[in-house]
Amino acid sequence: QSALTQPASVSGSPGQSITISCTGTSSDVGSYNLVSWYQQHPGKAPKLMIYEVSKRPSGVSNRFSGSKSGNAASLTISGLQAEDEADYYCCSYAGSSTWVFGGGTKLTVL
Amino acid sequence: EVQLVESGGGLVQPGGSLRLSCAASGFTFSSHWMHWVRRAPGKGLVWLSCINNDGSSTSCADSVKGRFTISRDNAKNTLYLQMNSLRAEDTAVYYCARAQGYYFDNWGQGTPVTVSS
Repeated sequence: QSALTQPASVSGSPGQSITISCTGTSSDVGSYNLVSWYQQHPGKAPKLMIYEVSKRPSGVSNRFSGSKSGNAASLTISGLQAEDEADYYCCSYAGSSTWVFGGGTKLTVL
Repeated sequence: EVQLVESGGGLVQPGGSLRLSCAASGFTFSSHWMHWVRRAPGKGLVWLSCINNDGSSTSCADSVKGRFTISRDNAKNTLYLQMNSLRAEDTAVYYCARAQGYYFDNWGQGTPVTVSS
């Protein structure tokens, strides 16, 4: 049950696009199309942004998109806005009713 | 509106116990799997445990196996996490989350737990 690997930090200017990677193994990300992404602002509860690799919940901006290839998933945020500055976590189902999160990525909007 | 409200956190000495609660409202509690997730200071989210909708099946992370027990009372719309043999590294904010399939679509605000002498 090792954490998925995410970059510790990424940054971008308003209007730009950024991508956050999430690398797992053939036992988690690579085995299931069950990767989800969460946004967490300081002192707030996590918020679901993407589920089942690329699906967006109702109410989440279409600036957020997800994809997966092999053992790696990614979250892309286009048209960066100041309000996007937050911590982002990927999560994958890992089999046998267990889940694993990534270590988290701090997004800074310059 | 879905609401999840955690309670029961606080300061506890190493080796001590705490029971966290998560009161659910605004949805049919007995229809959903439920999970506990924590975030230690300066660290990321960590999945801890889950329980199926009727409470007959549970699972947990190796890091808390044998020390933490998840349970639920569907009559009271409440999820629990019994935490025993607490260690300093268990210091964190503990969140309950509602599952929708294999993802977590609603989260509580969290309850802080501090393990210190």
